[in-house]
Amino acid sequence: DAGITQSPRYKITETGRQVTLMCHQTWSHSYMFWYRQDLGHGLRLIYYSAAADITDKGEVPDGYVVSRSKTENFPLTLESATRSQTSVYFCASSEAPGSAQHFGDGTRLSIL
Amino acid sequence: GENVEQHPSTLSVQEGDSAVIKCTYSDSASNYFPWYKQELGKRPQLIIDIRSNVGEKKDQRIAVTLNKTAKHFSLHITETQPEDSAVYFCAASQVRNKIDMRFGAGTRLTVQP
Repeated sequence: DAGITQSPRYKITETGRQVTLMCHQTWSHSYMFWYRQDLGHGLRLIYYSAAADITDKGEVPDGYVVSRSKTENFPLTLESATRSQTSVYFCASSEAPGSAQHFGDGTRLSIL
Repeated sequence: GENVEQHPSTLSVQEGDSAVIKCTYSDSASNYFPWYKQELGKRPQLIIDIRSNVGEKKDQRIAVTLNKTAKHFSLHITETQPEDSAVYFCAASQVRNKIDMRFGAGTRLTVQP
């Protein structure tokens, strides 16, 4: 679905660096989500947002920061990257809680 | 929090056979159960979902059943085709004072032609 785009698609950085992953959706969905996907764990929710300026923690929020100043954007920041944050990150959006979530193409992040 | 277990982790079937993937969840407050298909290197895509007030839902070759009492739900794919080969994820979601969405670890389905 072209309605939700993530950038960059691939990123390599070093431990201790700050890195921001971008997510943009054109559907005007109220809800946006960030997940990380690791082998053996499926997808785990990091943070979500119910609307502009409203965010809340998911299952694995430590080490991550989010913001939502505009409805269409939901950036995810790793303030001081660690190797354990190497993962594939997916952004998703939905019209309402407990409704179908539409995923972006993901960002593969490697932290050396 | 919610805990979702998914079985089997891998499943191989012959083309034309049926495939069944099962998930159990722990939180009786969960009320929305989606299933996602993810091909290698691609995004997860919703294939079917069910809410807690429904026991079964069908969409062509795909069906999902929900047993709220036993806290388990299953994905059934009939007349499997090679293009059904992918990783399938179940999830359970509930919204109380916040959203709690938990995914199973995934099932790698291989359909042998």
